[in-house]
Amino acid sequence: KAGVTQTPRYLIKTRGQQVTLSCSPISGHRSVSWYQQTPGQGLQFLFEYFSETQRNKGNFPGRFSGRQFSNSRSEMNVSTLELGDSALYLCASSDPGLAGGYETQYFGPGTRLLVL
Amino acid sequence: GQQLNQSPQSMFIQEGEDVSMNCTSSSIFNTWLWYKQDPGEGPVLLIALYKAGELTSNGRLTAQFGITRKDSFLNISASIPSDVGIYFCAGPYAGNNRKLIWGLGTSLAVNP
Repeated sequence: KAGVTQTPRYLIKTRGQQVTLSCSPISGHRSVSWYQQTPGQGLQFLFEYFSETQRNKGNFPGRFSGRQFSNSRSEMNVSTLELGDSALYLCASSDPGLAGGYETQYFGPGTRLLVL
Repeated sequence: GQQLNQSPQSMFIQEGEDVSMNCTSSSIFNTWLWYKQDPGEGPVLLIALYKAGELTSNGRLTAQFGITRKDSFLNISASIPSDVGIYFCAGPYAGNNRKLIWGLGTSLAVNP
């Protein structure tokens, strides 16, 4: 099976712009989670989508949003970019098969966003 | 955001040496996870621990779930150059298996 793919891999934007990142999960995986990774804060959970619905949400401002399509592909959007949004954005997919158990999350390579 | 306390922050060792790193929390966790991230890649799950006191191995890697449920340890034996990378501990936030809290990572460098 192909792994999790993320596009684009690198992106440069300026403050005030908006950006859309894309994630294609492993075939058959219905859950997609997004994380922001920075050197100072590490990996921070943004949100999780399952069956086109946001199921969990982290503590990020409303400028960060996402959605999931019927084929489980997901996008996240950041509006009104700030310098502090510069980070590696990681997407992870999993297959919610075991009730109550931990579902292994498989990560994509990430999109590195630089805001100038 | 909330984080786990992971130490050491970085390590520089000679090939063949053993490595130990740990992760602590002020809260109890029911699951401890250890990931490795290579440059330019996303994290990859190495070991998952589900029970206090559990000791689990994956090749040269061994991880333990602390008895207090507030800590976990990862050991790498006989390190090799491909062990280079950043090792993260993670755990489910408030029992939500899909919302993980992460340590800041231990960066490992191996001198061949």
